[in-house]
Amino acid sequence: GAVVSQHPSRVICKSGTSVKIECRSLDFQATTMFWYRQFPKQSLMLMATSNEGSKATYEQGVEKDKFLINHASLTLSTLTVTSAHPEDSSFYICSAGKGGSRTEAFFGQGTRLTVV
Amino acid sequence: GDSVTQMEGPVTLSEEAFLTINCTYTATGYPSLFWYVQYPGEGLQLLLKATKADDKGSNKGFEATYRKETTSFHLEKGSVQVSDSAVYFCALVKAAGNKLTFGGGTRVLVKP
Repeated sequence: GAVVSQHPSRVICKSGTSVKIECRSLDFQATTMFWYRQFPKQSLMLMATSNEGSKATYEQGVEKDKFLINHASLTLSTLTVTSAHPEDSSFYICSAGKGGSRTEAFFGQGTRLTVV
Repeated sequence: GDSVTQMEGPVTLSEEAFLTINCTYTATGYPSLFWYVQYPGEGLQLLLKATKADDKGSNKGFEATYRKETTSFHLEKGSVQVSDSAVYFCALVKAAGNKLTFGGGTRVLVKP
């Protein structure tokens, strides 16, 4: 398989501050990574597609100015939650694929964000 | 658009019981199908996959067969263990780029 590492695994921040979450592909290069949000006891909601060297593609209803995505290299994508509010508290998960069509994605461990 | 529907949980079983989680999909073309498992507080792990009709994916005692005629990919395990307690997600991918479409997830609780 392939390893995708996500950091931090848990973070608590104050309302109004920004939090950065990193997603790294450790043993392969990923031109595309995906960011998901998961609410308690619910499925994963795709937030955006992160494209190396270009702007991210956001899903409908996701605020791009609030959830900043940067994919500066083939092994790293970051999600920054800006001006966090308690309603942003959630489980955020990234994934990356090794390329090719219709292949599986590999997921990071997830980040539990709590905004107080 | 593409969609995946799986049975709602929670599913509560006793150890060594038989587990089935139904999954059906709607998609044009020929998607690849996956089952992912999520243990408490963790990300998702690929459990098994099938890339074409009649393929059977298997791993850790779990099996699922890609049935194009019924657009289904039901997950089965003959004898569950407490350690199988988790949330199971059925998913498909069709286009290049590994963008997955997920089902709603099914929580499974196995009691000793």
